[in-house]
Amino acid sequence: DAGITQSPRHKVTETGTPVTLRCHQTENHRYMYWYRQDPGHGLRLIHYSYGVKDTDKGEVSDGYSVSRSKTEDFLLTLESATSSQTSVYFCAISGTSAMTDTQYFGPGTRLTVL
Amino acid sequence: AQSVTQLGSHVSVSEGALVLLRCNYSSSVPPYLFWYVQYPNQGLQLLLKYTSAATLVKGINGFEAEFKKSETSFHLTKPSAHMSDAAEYFCAVSDLFGAQKLVFGQGTRLTINP
Repeated sequence: DAGITQSPRHKVTETGTPVTLRCHQTENHRYMYWYRQDPGHGLRLIHYSYGVKDTDKGEVSDGYSVSRSKTEDFLLTLESATSSQTSVYFCAISGTSAMTDTQYFGPGTRLTVL
Repeated sequence: AQSVTQLGSHVSVSEGALVLLRCNYSSSVPPYLFWYVQYPNQGLQLLLKYTSAATLVKGINGFEAEFKKSETSFHLTKPSAHMSDAAEYFCAVSDLFGAQKLVFGQGTRLTINP
């Protein structure tokens, strides 16, 4: 298994509070991604990073921000959590080649916003 | 914009029967195509991927998929279902270069009947 960990694995929070999810990799891969998984929608890309301090928006980026200060860490922040952000969040990593490299997924973080 | 449609949110087959999970994509140029599997409470695992080499792609656990450009399809098959195949399956597409920004279908939950 690729070396990807996510923390916390489960979190319950209240509407309006800030939340930060952490993704940590030990593979030294260039690209890191945050997806959210919701029933009937599959997974949708929130943000991704193509290097330290280099990030870009995905399909569903509103209400989320990210930071990557080290190759191995990619943080996802919900500045003011809302109930619509209740979801399972997956971090993923991939290498430089879109053709040959596999995207590996972490175990997920289940977030509940009350 | 790329999109993926998986026909059938639930598929049920008997143990030993053929498994067929359908995926159609929409893209201006043939993209890279992927099938991922998700077991309960786990992350996603790559089954197989098409990257413009052979149109018939073989993956892990006896699964294979055929890329048909004329039908814009990438259906997943397995000749004989096993109880351990019960899981959710996701079809996805990505661009040919740069970050693997995966666009997922809605997912198909596969149930295996004894």
